[in-house]
Amino acid sequence: ELKVEQNPLFLSMQEGKNYTIYCNYSTTSDRLYWYRQDPGKSLESLFVLLSNGAVKQEGRLMASLDTKARLSTLHITAAVHDLSATYFCAGENYGGSQGNLIFGKGTKLSVKP
Amino acid sequence: DTEVTQTPKHLVMGMTNKKSLKCEQHMGHRAMYWYKQKAKKPPELMFVYSYEKLSINESVPSRFSPECPNSSLLNLHLHALQPEDSALYLCASSIRTVGNTIYFGEGSWLTVV
Repeated sequence: ELKVEQNPLFLSMQEGKNYTIYCNYSTTSDRLYWYRQDPGKSLESLFVLLSNGAVKQEGRLMASLDTKARLSTLHITAAVHDLSATYFCAGENYGGSQGNLIFGKGTKLSVKP
Repeated sequence: DTEVTQTPKHLVMGMTNKKSLKCEQHMGHRAMYWYKQKAKKPPELMFVYSYEKLSINESVPSRFSPECPNSSLLNLHLHALQPEDSALYLCASSIRTVGNTIYFGEGSWLTVV
């Protein structure tokens, strides 16, 4: 069964700094997803990574996938307060039905001035 | 338009009540899901519908009863719930084929008293 581990679980950053959130998964996963969740809100899709070596960027966020290492990273460049949220990575069981996402515990990011 | 609409946004119900959560999408997606999220926890899959047929039931108690009347609508019927069922219930949808983004609705906050 797929297990997904994120670290760190809590991250306090200063504005303007860079940092990386790591997502390790235990078995082969077809795809790796990153979502953002603001307090009391739903999940906003950030990235879908479909293959080894995939890299996607949107604004100050960049996600990558290394299927050999079973590792995905979410890199934050020059953080701003608006990025404060909880970030989840999720894998999908290989060969399983789509939508059966296994989420990590989430990384609560707080960006301070 | 990448919108999944859920109603109601908030619901308080007694343990003997019968209520329903509703979800609607008009993106032509043929896969729809119910997830449950407890406070400060990641979402957990409950049900998956593919082409209006139930394809995954993650051992959810029978007091939760899903229904997919057509390709745009998904309901979750609730009966005789327990206080521990209080959570955020998230509906999501995606195009049938795997590897596509899974879009989440805003969620329905359920409190069982």
